[in-house]
Amino acid sequence: AQSVTQLGSHVSVSEGALVLLRCNYSSSVPPYLFWYVQYPNQGLQLLLKYTTGATLVKGINGFEAEFKKSETSFHLTKPSAHMSDAAEYFCAVRPSNFGNEKLTFGTGTRLTIIP
Amino acid sequence: DAGITQSPRHKVTETGTPVTLRCHQTENHRYMYWYRQDPGHGLRLIHYSYGVKDTDKGEVSDGYSVSRSKTEDFLLTLESATSSQTSVYFCAISEEGIPQHFGDGTRLSIL
Repeated sequence: AQSVTQLGSHVSVSEGALVLLRCNYSSSVPPYLFWYVQYPNQGLQLLLKYTTGATLVKGINGFEAEFKKSETSFHLTKPSAHMSDAAEYFCAVRPSNFGNEKLTFGTGTRLTIIP
Repeated sequence: DAGITQSPRHKVTETGTPVTLRCHQTENHRYMYWYRQDPGHGLRLIHYSYGVKDTDKGEVSDGYSVSRSKTEDFLLTLESATSSQTSVYFCAISEEGIPQHFGDGTRLSIL
């Protein structure tokens, strides 16, 4: 079985500061990893994904994440926060040898941007 | 924006009544999913479909059924609603499998 832990249900950063949202996973087989963003009263959007290959992946809106196998982590970063980044962010994991019905979501991190 | 429409967007109903939620897509994607979102649980998969009349259970399928008679429509039915099914329900679609586009959700309250 796989699981995802997002450290910090709420994170606040100042506009222009670094955004760091933490995600650690547990998987008995090599994982596929994902970050989604949910804006208020909307559904989720896929931000970025890691399946194989380069461990640093870039997504939309200037976000990127790095797969670190030794740390079982997939933290999401953005160098400079913008007011429009305020949203809830979900990390998700799927075993590489199963279908997408095995996608497991974390409980989410709500990001607040301080003007 | 991907063409996904969920209806209704909000519904309040009573325990024991049947409820049907509809997901309509205009993208002609193969895969469709129903999730529920609850505080402290993230999103959990209820049922999914990989083609017309091809459906399967997810993690929390008890008390729910689905049907997909056309590519564009995926219906979620609560045969006899219970208070534990109060939640926000999201439909998602994808062509290659991983859910990429989600609808705006249906907020369901069961009293």
